[in-house]
Amino acid sequence: QVQLQESGPGLQKPSETLSLTCTVSGGSISRYYWNWVRQTPGKGLEWIGYIFSSGNTNYNLSLKSRITISIDTSKNQFSLRLTSLTAADTALYFCARGLPGGEDAFDIWGQGTMVTVSS
Amino acid sequence: EIVLTQSPGTLSLSPGERVTLSCRASQSVSRSYLAWYQQKPGQAPRLLIYNTSTRATGIPDRFSGSGSGTDFTLTISRLEPEDFAVYYCQQYDNSPFTFGQGAKLEIK
Repeated sequence: QVQLQESGPGLQKPSETLSLTCTVSGGSISRYYWNWVRQTPGKGLEWIGYIFSSGNTNYNLSLKSRITISIDTSKNQFSLRLTSLTAADTALYFCARGLPGGEDAFDIWGQGTMVTVSS
Repeated sequence: EIVLTQSPGTLSLSPGERVTLSCRASQSVSRSYLAWYQQKPGQAPRLLIYNTSTRATGIPDRFSGSGSGTDFTLTISRLEPEDFAVYYCQQYDNSPFTFGQGAKLEIK
């Protein structure tokens, strides 16, 4: 069955750029919406944005100036880039697949990767 | 942005009981694009219900969803020990997609 696995550095310094990758295994990355979501004790679950397999993106406006989501269909991977990190970006980051059919609920999630922003 | 408010925040119940969780939206979720997730400690959220009332694959029929407009509910007809967790609603009708703050079911 389809599985998602996030990877990336766990510790970053303020003002640095975060790069996370989600690897899709057991299925194709094509014809789905692929999302990034983060979770903090204070703000709960926050949707960051998605990319469709064609490359179309939709970002949360609260983060739009700092995020880029990209996709590499040849590697079955999609990635998140978040610039100008602050302590407020400390969170558990998940990648998740949207149900087939369009912008939809998230049926498959990765296990999450913890990112800490600290000097 | 659509703000989702869940109530109650925490519920203490016993296995076998029936529970209804509420999710109220700050504006209409016009296409009923409302989902419910269950999250246990150390795990990712698990999709239970989408499009307000459709159970996701493999979800037992003791879970049901209903509602429209701004008021939605998740009902668990008979709590099993594995159902004690945190539940989140999510709307994907309008961008940005947003989640409720969560409702925790704990064992009494």
